Amino acid sequence: SQQGEEDPQALSIQEGENATMNCSYKTSINNLQWYRQNSGRGLVHLILIRSNEREKHSGRLRVTLDTSKKSSSLLITASRAADTASYFCATSNSGGSNYKLTFGKGTLLTVNP
Amino acid sequence: EAGVAQSPRYKIIEKRQSVAFWCNPISGHATLYWYQQILGQGPKLLIQFQNNGVVDDSQLPKDRFSAERLKGVDSTLKIQPAKLEDSAVYLCASSSGTSGYTDTQYFGPGTRLTVL
Repeated sequence: SQQGEEDPQALSIQEGENATMNCSYKTSINNLQWYRQNSGRGLVHLILIRSNEREKHSGRLRVTLDTSKKSSSLLITASRAADTASYFCATSNSGGSNYKLTFGKGTLLTVNP
Repeated sequence: EAGVAQSPRYKIIEKRQSVAFWCNPISGHATLYWYQQILGQGPKLLIQFQNNGVVDDSQLPKDRFSAERLKGVDSTLKIQPAKLEDSAVYLCASSSGTSGYTDTQYFGPGTRLTVL
């Protein structure tokens, strides 16, 4: 079953603009991760934010986490055409001694040159 | 460092046939995962190995899917017999540690399966 749900399903912006994607989830998590998938490079890990963190930065990426609202957002600043891809949030939950990732359906981002 | 290798990249079969996918994880990675990604959806975990033992196979359709990881390195995923709804991309991933939730997973390019 899907744990995270990304919003919007699709987003189209111009190069140089900022892109914001949101993720909502249902149950308590250990951490939340964002992945990017495009046809050229497959699925790539972008950033991990732990449940006790509120904000994290990596280059042009900024991730926030609000555990009270069970939501996260991914901001990509100064977007480039190469950022065109599907972006997935994945939540890590504990199941006994095993922690597994549950992915959402993704947001398709198109950055127009 | 070499990434996760998968083969074949594409496979087309008739329903009720069998098919096998192969994965070679990043060298030294203890944990290996197989995911199924249906078009328009996110990846869904099928099975997770830690070394050569199964950690989680709760979402693996065991009546038709099987997987093994010999000697804790390479892994194969088999479908027998295939159904139309098995059409998807099968992704293999690996991670270095055994703690699970803090590990970054590295994904292979996937095998796109079409069942006719």
